[in-house]
Amino acid sequence: GENVEQHPSTLSVQEGDSAVIKCTYSDSASNYFPWYKQELGKGPQLIIDIRSNVGEKKDQRIAVTLNKTAKHFSLHITETQPEDSAVYFCAASIRGNNDMRFGAGTRLTVKP
Amino acid sequence: AAGVIQSPRHLIKEKRETATLKCYPIPRHDTVYWYQQGPGQDPQFLISFYEKMQSDKGSIPDRFSAQQFSDYHSELNMSSLELGDSALYFCASSLGIQGTEAFFGQGTRLTVV
Repeated sequence: GENVEQHPSTLSVQEGDSAVIKCTYSDSASNYFPWYKQELGKGPQLIIDIRSNVGEKKDQRIAVTLNKTAKHFSLHITETQPEDSAVYFCAASIRGNNDMRFGAGTRLTVKP
Repeated sequence: AAGVIQSPRHLIKEKRETATLKCYPIPRHDTVYWYQQGPGQDPQFLISFYEKMQSDKGSIPDRFSAQQFSDYHSELNMSSLELGDSALYFCASSLGIQGTEAFFGQGTRLTVV
């Protein structure tokens, strides 16, 4: 089955700096890669996703890149703000959400 | 906009008891997924339903069962509870199952004592 690895497990940045979280996946058939933000006591919130036919997607301060050859994808957050502090999960799936497998999560702390 | 509703938000049960968790998907969503998230861990896929039929099965223990009803809400039934079942249980819903966005509920925190 699919195996998703996520790095780093913790990330601390200064407000205004950029943050990058990286994930690798094992199954080349995976074609859907969402990113979730989870705040304390809340459910994961989808923040951006990318499909295998696209190499990059951007939404304001958030961008995701996908390298299908290397089987890795990354989340980029620019101009970080304290409210960006949360745990971020990457995920990958082959047949849609049925088989979505999450990475272990990255705890991002943005220091004011 | 309406979101995924889960109930109850918190639940405390004793070992060997049973628990039922409920999930009400976003209106018109026909697919429901259940996840279990242990402390400091990533969500683990348990089971999913599409159009009231089980569509996929993950790491769901045999002590657990689930179903999706005609109004698309879903219930996760957990029997013979063990201490290790203490976790956050999330439900997510989507419209269809082919790579469409899944929206998560707030979760049910189950504590087994």
